Amino acid sequence: DQQVKQNSPSLSVQEGRISILNCDYTNSMFDYFLWYKKYPAEGPTFLISISSIKDKNEDGRFTVFLNKSAKHLSLHIVPSQPGDSAVYFCAASSGTYKYIFGTGTRLKVLA
Amino acid sequence: EAGVAQSPRYKIIEKRQSVAFWCNPISGHATLYWYQQILGQGPKLLIQFQNNGVVDDSQLPKDRFSAERLKGVDSTLKIQPAKLEDSAVYLCASSSYRDGSNYGYTFGSGTRLTVV
Repeated sequence: DQQVKQNSPSLSVQEGRISILNCDYTNSMFDYFLWYKKYPAEGPTFLISISSIKDKNEDGRFTVFLNKSAKHLSLHIVPSQPGDSAVYFCAASSGTYKYIFGTGTRLKVLA
Repeated sequence: EAGVAQSPRYKIIEKRQSVAFWCNPISGHATLYWYQQILGQGPKLLIQFQNNGVVDDSQLPKDRFSAERLKGVDSTLKIQPAKLEDSAVYLCASSSYRDGSNYGYTFGSGTRLTVV
């Protein structure tokens, strides 16, 4: 049972445009969500987080939106840069600090 | 601050052999995690330590996998005997909690295991 799903395995975006990465979850007990970025041959690095008491969190070019009723979150990157090309994972936890990860979306930003 | 250190970076073994991975977390991080990431999938938690105690090992295949965190600092993960399906990247992560908030994990670079 995949509790955290990223249904788009890949996404290509032109440099300067907006990248939108989506994530759906099934467990209504999840209350904290993270996005990680992973380059080849490196471990995932923390990007941005959001608590279930918020519906938006912004950090520079990165914004995460949470729609609790739809059990959906999205990561917006504006403007997209070639260095953003990586695999992005969303992860969710239910207060235990044990995170369940999605399968990842490979973002390619075209120069 | 130094990151999470893992070794080796790569390992190739034959099935039924044994292998061990090592992790040194960020200094002061009480919580340490081992994740398995199979190609094309997201990381899956194998075991979580709080200091030197196990918090969650519900997804650790205990017939062949074992892990320990002596003295609450570095940790080793062992597979004995290895199977072909154990081929994956094994990620170690550590975390701390500042101001009562969870700032997420810091991952190491991982060990890529290939079982042939």
